Amino acid sequence: EAGVAQSPRYKIIEKRQSVAFWCNPISGHATLYWYQQILGQGPKLLIQFQNNGVVDDSQLPKDRFSAERLKGVDSTLKIQPAKLEDSAVYLCASSLETFGQDNEQFFGPGTRLTVL
Amino acid sequence: KNQVEQSPQSLIILEGKNCTLQCNYTVSPFSNLRWYKQDTGRGPVSLTIMTFSENTKSNGRYTATLDADTKQSSLHITASQLSDSASYICVVSAFPDYKLSFGAGTTVTVRA
Repeated sequence: EAGVAQSPRYKIIEKRQSVAFWCNPISGHATLYWYQQILGQGPKLLIQFQNNGVVDDSQLPKDRFSAERLKGVDSTLKIQPAKLEDSAVYLCASSLETFGQDNEQFFGPGTRLTVL
Repeated sequence: KNQVEQSPQSLIILEGKNCTLQCNYTVSPFSNLRWYKQDTGRGPVSLTIMTFSENTKSNGRYTATLDADTKQSSLHITASQLSDSASYICVVSAFPDYKLSFGAGTTVTVRA
């Protein structure tokens, strides 16, 4: 079974530039998550999709971050314009369902973003 | 506010030795607790999951314990190997929305 795929793996940009990340979840997984992991910290949920609908985007900085999951499969996360504090690893995860006590999230390798 | 605190922040052990990582949480109402292993440059991978009624769970050389009364968990690594070098993250899920609260992780370095 293929895992969660993300690209690019690394990205370096200057502040005020734009950047986009792509995620392809595990086939059949209805729920997709984007996390931001700053060095030395645990992941922080940015947005959660159930199929192509948003379940939770309460911690997404909507003035600069946007995400979409067209057709309920692949997803893209965009930052425009980027700030220095956006430097982090962006993790994508997927799970079979949104709710359920044993619902395991499977993580991709992440995209490491450096903003100069 | 739901919080997960892990200790120590990092540790170094010699190959073949044992170590124990700690996790304290304030998440309520509690659903389950997972320990994840995150290798450098990779996404986290689940090692164990425990619900309220479980107080120990093993996965090979990894053994997790849970005390739901004191809201504490530990992860014990037996006979450490170089491949155990990673960050170990404690993740707690809460009812009713199963939202996850992540700890900052403990970085384990195993040296030959």
